[in-house]
Amino acid sequence: AQKVTQAQTEISVVEKEDVTLDCVYETRDTTYYLFWYKQPPSGELVFLIRRNSFDEQNEISGRYSWNFQKSTSSFNFTITASQVVDSAVYFCALSVYNTDKLIFGTGTRLQVFP
Amino acid sequence: AAGVIQSPRHLIKEKRETATLKCYPIPRHDTVYWYQQGPGQDPQFLISFYEKMQSDKGSIPDRFSAQQFSDYHSELNMSSLELGDSALYFCASSSGGGASGYTFGSGTRLTVV
Repeated sequence: AQKVTQAQTEISVVEKEDVTLDCVYETRDTTYYLFWYKQPPSGELVFLIRRNSFDEQNEISGRYSWNFQKSTSSFNFTITASQVVDSAVYFCALSVYNTDKLIFGTGTRLQVFP
Repeated sequence: AAGVIQSPRHLIKEKRETATLKCYPIPRHDTVYWYQQGPGQDPQFLISFYEKMQSDKGSIPDRFSAQQFSDYHSELNMSSLELGDSALYFCASSSGGGASGYTFGSGTRLTVV
């Protein structure tokens, strides 16, 4: 069975602080894909990143960076110099080869205060 | 670029009524997925279709049914609506599952009163 755990239910920071959102996943499959989505108050799911299980290279995109570590089954997401517009619920998700559907974690609500 | 189109964006129904949600996937995407997101919850997988055939099924109530038509659009039909069916319903499409990623529609917000 597959599972995604986001232990942080809610995080509050002040603008310009760095913040890391944790994600731990479980799967016995060797081929799988990990995702992060942002859900602002308007409700849509905004795709942020996809990684496959064979690519552990960390990625940076502007103020966003992701740390994928298979040894700890973690795929953490860091926002550097947070901004008020980063306030949203962030979901980590997993899909495995051949089952196809996305399994979401319970989400982390990030509030960035000015 | 074309995205996944869902209609309607908002829907208000009374208990025991029926609702139909529509999803138009990205052209040439062969798989459509439906998710239900209750208030304060994560999206839960309901059902998927690959090339118009049901490919997987999640925690979809028996009161719900779905299908994918010849033009690849999909409809989620919900009957005997209950208050607990109030949620955001997302449709997503893909051309290769996790390997190529998923494109989500903006969702339909269903309110049952």
